[in-house]
Amino acid sequence: KNEVEQSPQNLTAQEGEFITINCSYSVGISALHWLQQHPGGGIVSLFMLSSGKKKHGRLIATINIQEKHSSLHITASHPRDSAVYICAVKNFGNEKLTFGTGTRLTIIP
Amino acid sequence: DAEITQSPRHKITETGRQVTLACHQTWNHNNMFWYRQDLGHGLRLIHYSYGVQDTNKGEVSDGYSVSRSNTEDLPLTLESAASSQTSVYFCASSSSTDTQYFGPGTRLTVL
Repeated sequence: KNEVEQSPQNLTAQEGEFITINCSYSVGISALHWLQQHPGGGIVSLFMLSSGKKKHGRLIATINIQEKHSSLHITASHPRDSAVYICAVKNFGNEKLTFGTGTRLTIIP
Repeated sequence: DAEITQSPRHKITETGRQVTLACHQTWNHNNMFWYRQDLGHGLRLIHYSYGVQDTNKGEVSDGYSVSRSNTEDLPLTLESAASSQTSVYFCASSSSTDTQYFGPGTRLTVL
């Protein structure tokens, strides 16, 4: 079973700061997902990646397959980025996801 | 636009009652999933389906059942609701090459 760990569990930062959230997993995967969940809200997929780097607006996701590690970066953070960010991995041969427990991000104006 | 919906959005029921949560997607995805989300546990897989007439147990399937009679729907049934099943339930769907799309969630309270 793949073990997915995220760090930090909680992160508070000032508006404008550069944010990094980390995710590591124990077994090789076919894809890694970054998800966002606002308080009381639904879950939205931000990225799905299997290698390299993807960018969408102020969000950047990277993955290092050899090190079994991924990072989610937020540039010029804004209070609306306050949410829980969840890392999830898909193992080879099936469609199920294994989830990390999430990182709660709070951006203070 | 394609979407995934859940109903009801909120439900209060009593211990021992049967409850069915609906999930409907218009993505035409083969894969559908039910999760529960509890503080301290993150998202946990209850049941999943890879196509019509296919259903499989996830890691926390006891007390739950699903059926898949068409591509669009995967209803989740709690046979005899228990207080331990108070949770937020999310349905999701995906194709084999794309991310999972999540429904808005159903908040279930069992008294």
